[in-house]
Amino acid sequence: QQPVQSPQAVILREGEDAVINCSSSKALYSVHWYRQKHGEAPVFLMILLKGGEQKGHEKISASFNEKKQQSSLYLTASQLSYSGTYFCGTQTDSWGKLQFGAGTQVVVTP
Amino acid sequence: NAGVTQTPKFQVLKTGQSMTLQCAQDMNHNSMYWYRQDPGMGLRLIYYSASEGTTDKGEVPNGYNVSRLNKREFSLRLESAAPSQTSVYFCASSETRQAKSTNEKLFFGSGTQLSVL
Repeated sequence: QQPVQSPQAVILREGEDAVINCSSSKALYSVHWYRQKHGEAPVFLMILLKGGEQKGHEKISASFNEKKQQSSLYLTASQLSYSGTYFCGTQTDSWGKLQFGAGTQVVVTP
Repeated sequence: NAGVTQTPKFQVLKTGQSMTLQCAQDMNHNSMYWYRQDPGMGLRLIYYSASEGTTDKGEVPNGYNVSRLNKREFSLRLESAAPSQTSVYFCASSETRQAKSTNEKLFFGSGTQLSVL
């Protein structure tokens, strides 16, 4: 089952913050986050394992709430380079294949 | 470091034609994957290969075949292309050493934009 991402799109000004959510109908083993710039390949940001840990990449961080079966990606003090489409990928067990969400398009303007 | 290399970058086919998408990685990764990306659908797994000599179906395998030629190369074949196969195709690889995944991150190629008329 494909995870659900929200919002579908967000427009920010430089320096603003945003939150992207990724929800699953099944219990999760792990959550991956990737960013894809227009016309390019998706690039890995971070993996979160069950246990509620929080990780960071530059000023981008994420949390994993096992009970709620969801993960949130936090874009803090956004930069122009943060523009792109963010995908979450979820695993329901250790060898479950990643199921990717439909993506959240982020546009950061000057 | 080349990483994951896909060819071709663009391809236009007529319905019923066949073609093979090539993928090679130079990171000595064990696992390789083929995804398709459609607007509003995210990335969907077509086939994967956990190790050299093995291949398994993903979410959307119908209409495709794969070959893991050696550890480096993983090709995707469309035997009789259909308009529904118009998509952007990504090859990816991960280190994954064991049959059980340890959540290895994926490295993606730059993609192949395929149009089937």
